[in-house]
Amino acid sequence: SAVISQKPSRDICQRGTSLTIQCQVDSQVTMMFWYRQQPGQSLTLIATANQGSEATYESGFVIDKFPISRPNLTFSTLTVSNMSPEDSSIYLCSVRTSGGNTGELFFGEGSRLTVL
Amino acid sequence: DAKTTQPPSMDCAEGRAANLPCNHSTISGNEYVYWYRQIHSQGPQYIIHGLKNNETNEMASLIITEDRKSSTLILPHATLRDTAVYYCIVRRTRVGTSYGKLTFGQGTILTVHP
Repeated sequence: SAVISQKPSRDICQRGTSLTIQCQVDSQVTMMFWYRQQPGQSLTLIATANQGSEATYESGFVIDKFPISRPNLTFSTLTVSNMSPEDSSIYLCSVRTSGGNTGELFFGEGSRLTVL
Repeated sequence: DAKTTQPPSMDCAEGRAANLPCNHSTISGNEYVYWYRQIHSQGPQYIIHGLKNNETNEMASLIITEDRKSSTLILPHATLRDTAVYYCIVRRTRVGTSYGKLTFGQGTILTVHP
C-alpha cells in the first residue's frame, strides 16, 4: 500500500491566478497520475506524471494549462494555470506501487479547488 | 479499454448482501475487471480485481461470468459505511500509453439503509 498526502486539501482562488497542488507518497512508486473530478461527476484522467520527463497528457488536457512535474519517485506537482470557475473541481493524485500490469492504484484524498 | 455499464443506483439493507452488477460485453482476453469505490469526500479505494476466475478478499467477492461479459461485486454483509459510489473498470494489461491508468465510468451509487 501507499500513503499519499496532497496539499492543499482545499483552496479558494481568484479567476486568472494559478495554483500548484503537491502530491507526496511515503514510498517509491512506479507510476503517478493526476485525475480531476468535477462536481457530481466521475473521475477524469488528466495525465501521467513521468519521472524526469514531460508528462503524458490525455485528450483534452494540455501542458500549458496543467503543467506537471515529477522530480523523483515519491513527489509530483500539478499546477492549474490561469484558472476560471470551470476549473472548480477535486484534483486527485494516484499512484501505482508495483511493477507488472495488475497492481491496484492508490488515491490521495484530493484537493478541492473553488475558483471565484 | 472496454466500456462498462452499471446501474446508476442501488439500495441495500444493512446486514444483507449487496450485489452490484457490471456489464462489459466488449471485454477482450487481456483485460482485467477492477472494482473501486468512493465514499463521499474521499479518494477512490481499491476493492478487488480479476481476470476470469472468481476472486475473494477481506472486503468483497468478485464473480465473473464464464464468457467474461459481465461481473458482480458482492459485499457479503453490507454496513452503513459501505454507502459509496462503486466503479467497475476494465483495463488492458499491455504496456504503452494505457499502462497503469484507469478510466472511470459513472459508477453505481450504493445506499445502505438501516
